[in-house]
Order: sequence, then structure tokens, then C-alpha cells
Amino acid sequence: DAKTTQPPSMDCAEGRAANLPCNHSTISGNEYVYWYRQIHSQGPQYIIHGLKNNETNEMASLIITEDRKSSTLILPHATLRDTAVYYCIGLTQGGSEKLVFGKGTKLTVNP
Amino acid sequence: DAGVIQSPRHEVTEMGQEVTLRCKPISGHNSLFWYRQTMMRGLELLIYFNNNVPIDDSGMPEDRFSAKMPNASFSTLKIQPSEPRDSAVYFCASSLGGWDTQYFGPGTRLTVL
Repeated sequence: DAKTTQPPSMDCAEGRAANLPCNHSTISGNEYVYWYRQIHSQGPQYIIHGLKNNETNEMASLIITEDRKSSTLILPHATLRDTAVYYCIGLTQGGSEKLVFGKGTKLTVNP
Repeated sequence: DAGVIQSPRHEVTEMGQEVTLRCKPISGHNSLFWYRQTMMRGLELLIYFNNNVPIDDSGMPEDRFSAKMPNASFSTLKIQPSEPRDSAVYFCASSLGGWDTQYFGPGTRLTVL
């Protein structure tokens, strides 16, 4: 799976957009970019995934650069409940590699 | 759907005792995963089942750990004998198939004294 790099921590004001970057310069053509988050004392939660087109769902938007070497997860209107560790993971759907959680980005949403 | 169900939510035991953690995956999901999370090592995969068959158990720390999935709706992770270094949060997750989107349970916090 692609090695991903994320900043260790970020802050965001409540109500503002939170933009979480992820670098995955070694991603291969068939590897998806998955985002999960883990709120304190809970299990990880799936957010969104994409291959090369931008994706949006009820939780977030995912913007993938044209060269697919980086992506940004956008939480359009961050709330205090979005405070969590966010993980960016590269994965081939149906492949044999494991879902590997790195250290992620600790996002703190401030009132 | 109730999501992935794990029991117990908290377990405190003494070194040397047997511990059994339980998981009920989401109905209709064919794959089940056991993870362990500690501050030192983060979230690490222990074992992965597909259609009730263990596919990858390379993450199981040692022979003291064993996992079973007797049917599509139930799995256990057993530690015998338990040791203080086994103290961690153990998560179960399930997916429709393989490494696609995984849905995690609330976890079992295990403390071995």
C-alpha cells in the first residue's frame, strides 16, 4: 500500500472548514485513498474514499490532485465533535495488503 | 443495524487468567478483523477472517492468542494465559468483503494486572 504522510496535528475554529492534507507520492494507479477518523475512546470510523475523482458525501469532501500524489480531506463546517485523529490510508480494493493505520493527524476543533 | 457489537466493553483480570473477547459483525458482512491498540504501537491488525476462515493471522503476537469464527455472526479472541503487556483496547471490525470499507465496534478495554 502507498506510504502516506500527514501532519501530526492541526487546529480549526468551530464552524470553519477543516482542510486535512495527505501526501502519498508513491501511490500506484489502482490504489484508493481512504480516510478514517478515531474520536477519543471510540473505534475508527470510515469517512470517505476515492481513486482519482473528487468525492463528496454527507461527512466530508475528498480532493485528489491530478497527479494523485496528494489529497485533502475537507470538513466544510467543523464542529467540536469532529475533534479526532484522522488517518489517510492507501489501499488497493480487493487486494491483499492490509489496512495500515499510521499516526494520523490530530485535529482539534476549538470553540 | 446495530453495527458491530463487542463484549465485554471493559475487562480487568489478573495475570495468568484466561480472557475471552467477543464480537458480532454486521449482518451480511463476510470479512471480520481483530485489531489491538496501544499508545506505544498504535492500531495493529491481529487477524483477518473471510467467510469464517482465517486468512491472515501474521499479526497474532504469540501462541497465547487464538481467534475463532464458528459462524458468520460470531467471533472470539482468546488470550491464555494473559500478561500485563496484553493490556490494550481490542477492536473488532467487519466489512462486506476483504479490505473494503471496514466498520469498527466500540472496542474492549482490557487491563491485565
